[in-house]
Amino acid sequence: AQSVAQPEDQVNVAEGNPLTVKCTYSVSGNPYLFWYVQYPNRGLQFLLKYITGDNLVKGSYGFEAEFNKSQTSFHLKKPSALVSDSALYFCAVRDTGFQKLVFGTGTRLLVSP
Amino acid sequence: DARVTQTPRHKVTEMGQEVTMRCQPILGHNTVFWYRQTMMQGLELLAYFRNRAPLDDSGMPKDRFSAEMPDATLATLKIQPSEPRDSAVYFCASGLYRGGATGELFFGEGSRLTVL
Repeated sequence: AQSVAQPEDQVNVAEGNPLTVKCTYSVSGNPYLFWYVQYPNRGLQFLLKYITGDNLVKGSYGFEAEFNKSQTSFHLKKPSALVSDSALYFCAVRDTGFQKLVFGTGTRLLVSP
Repeated sequence: DARVTQTPRHKVTEMGQEVTMRCQPILGHNTVFWYRQTMMQGLELLAYFRNRAPLDDSGMPKDRFSAEMPDATLATLKIQPSEPRDSAVYFCASGLYRGGATGELFFGEGSRLTVL
């Protein structure tokens, strides 16, 4: 079965500094990978996806993610963090067969002023 | 601005009562998912549909939960009878499946259920 792992429960970063939220995956076949963000009391919002092509994927709000096949990773990055980026971030992988999304446990990002 | 609409946003009920949550997927989307989010379990997939047909509901407690799509514009999740352990935020998401790949899922704002 397809799965993703988010090894950090929380990431702390100062505003203006670069941020990385980690995700590793386990799939059979080609991975279809996603990042979502959840703000308090809101639903999940799509940030970006990797299906095929360039290993560096650009998404919403200045986020990008780097797909690394040899390390089976899909880390979310942003060059300069904003306080408003503080939220819960989920990595997800599309399962084979019926195309459902399997989510990681989430990483809380806290950006301090 | 297309969006997934869920009702109610908040529901407080007493144990044993029936609860029905509704979802209007984005027009034209043919897959609908129900997820449940709790602090302890994170995001759990309860059930999902494609073209209104249930594909998988293995994540759902069968004795008390039921999910249906009466038509393409409405998905329902029903709990009867409700229990305190059902307290959670329930999310509906929709997407478009075509060919061999889907696009991303679009989530509603969730229905926060509290069972006393």
